[in-house]
Amino acid sequence: DQQVKQNSPSLSVQEGRISILNCDYTNSMFDYFLWYKKYPAEGPTFLISISSIKDKNEDGRFTVFLNKSAKHLSLHIVPSQPGDSAVYFCAASARFMNRDDKIIFGKGTRLHILP
Amino acid sequence: DVKVTQSSRYLVKRTGEKVFLECVQDMDHENMFWYRQDPGLGLRLIYFSYDVKMKEKGDIPEGYSVSREKKERFSLILESASTNQTSMYLCASRPRDSNQPQHFGDGTRLSIL
Repeated sequence: DQQVKQNSPSLSVQEGRISILNCDYTNSMFDYFLWYKKYPAEGPTFLISISSIKDKNEDGRFTVFLNKSAKHLSLHIVPSQPGDSAVYFCAASARFMNRDDKIIFGKGTRLHILP
Repeated sequence: DVKVTQSSRYLVKRTGEKVFLECVQDMDHENMFWYRQDPGLGLRLIYFSYDVKMKEKGDIPEGYSVSREKKERFSLILESASTNQTSMYLCASRPRDSNQPQHFGDGTRLSIL
């Protein structure tokens, strides 16, 4: 059973507009969430993270929102730029039970920024 | 800046061969990971290690083994390669402080013929 779900396999957004990528999780023990970006033929690169004690974290054009009651997080990119076209992975971990340090990844959402 | 280096970007092997994928990190991270990425399946954890000579199975360990003889190096071994192991393989490392994200290598695109 998927613990981290990205229900949209792809998303197309006009350049300059806001891109919103969504992620749902099922494990209420998760307390640390991350977003990674991946270009073809490259490894994923870390974008932004959020701890469960917060509901928002911002870094430049990227903002992550966490709704613990809904077990939902989202990544907002504004304004969207052509270089943002990539696959975005949502990930989560349960730090307090982190003996094995596992991070669970979603299946990814491919973002296309249209000119 | 963290550097995770995977020895090969592209590799072609034959069914039944023993295949070694090497990964080296230069930041003295305790934890290292091997994933495979397949279309529609995202990143799936094969094995990870949180110390030298320590290893733990991930979600899909069957057909794979690993070796961690030195802290900076984590090797993934396909004991007898099969065509369903054709995939993109990604290595990652992370310090023991769990507030830190994983850092990934650029991946090895492995084709088993």
